[in-house]
Amino acid sequence: AQRVTQPEKLLSVFKGAPVELKCNYSYSGSPELFWYVQYSRQRLQLLLRHISRESIKGFTADLNKGETSFHLKKPFAQEEDSAMYYCALSGWAGKSTFGDGTTLTVKP
Amino acid sequence: DSGVTQTPKHLITATGQRVTLRCSPRSGDLSVYWYQQSLDQGLQFLIQYYNGEERAKGNILERFSAQQFPDLHSELNLSSLELGDSALYFCASSAFRGAGDGYTFGSGTRLTVV
Repeated sequence: AQRVTQPEKLLSVFKGAPVELKCNYSYSGSPELFWYVQYSRQRLQLLLRHISRESIKGFTADLNKGETSFHLKKPFAQEEDSAMYYCALSGWAGKSTFGDGTTLTVKP
Repeated sequence: DSGVTQTPKHLITATGQRVTLRCSPRSGDLSVYWYQQSLDQGLQFLIQYYNGEERAKGNILERFSAQQFPDLHSELNLSSLELGDSALYFCASSAFRGAGDGYTFGSGTRLTVV
């Protein structure tokens, strides 16, 4: 079975502070991991994927197979980063399993 | 718009009724996925179609069914609706069988069962 856990439902930081959104996964094979973002009243958008190792909007995420984690990080949070963030794992048959999401609030 | 299109945006219906949600995938994408997002359960995978064939099934109730047509658009049919079926239903698409470059999501259909 594949499972994604985002332990924090809510996360609040001040503008300019570092932010880390946690994601842990359970999967027996080699997973493909993604972060999606959902801004208020908008559709989910792909933020980044682990295989591309890219940085989008200042966010990065490193796959740690030993700890089975894929935490999302940004060194200096901005108010426009306030949104719902979902970690997703694509495993068997291409089906993606999503975590329950973390609502990030960046305070001024 | 070459993204994922979902219709209708909003739907209000009574218990026991049947509704059809429609999804047109992003141009060139062959896979379509349906997800249910409710307040207390997050994003739940329902079903995936690839090039017209069912490829993976999640926690989809027997009252729900879906299909993908030759032009690759997909429909999700929900019947004998219950209050608990009220949720946001998302469609997503990807180019191939798997997530590959990630999903492109539609804006969702908000279903309210009264």
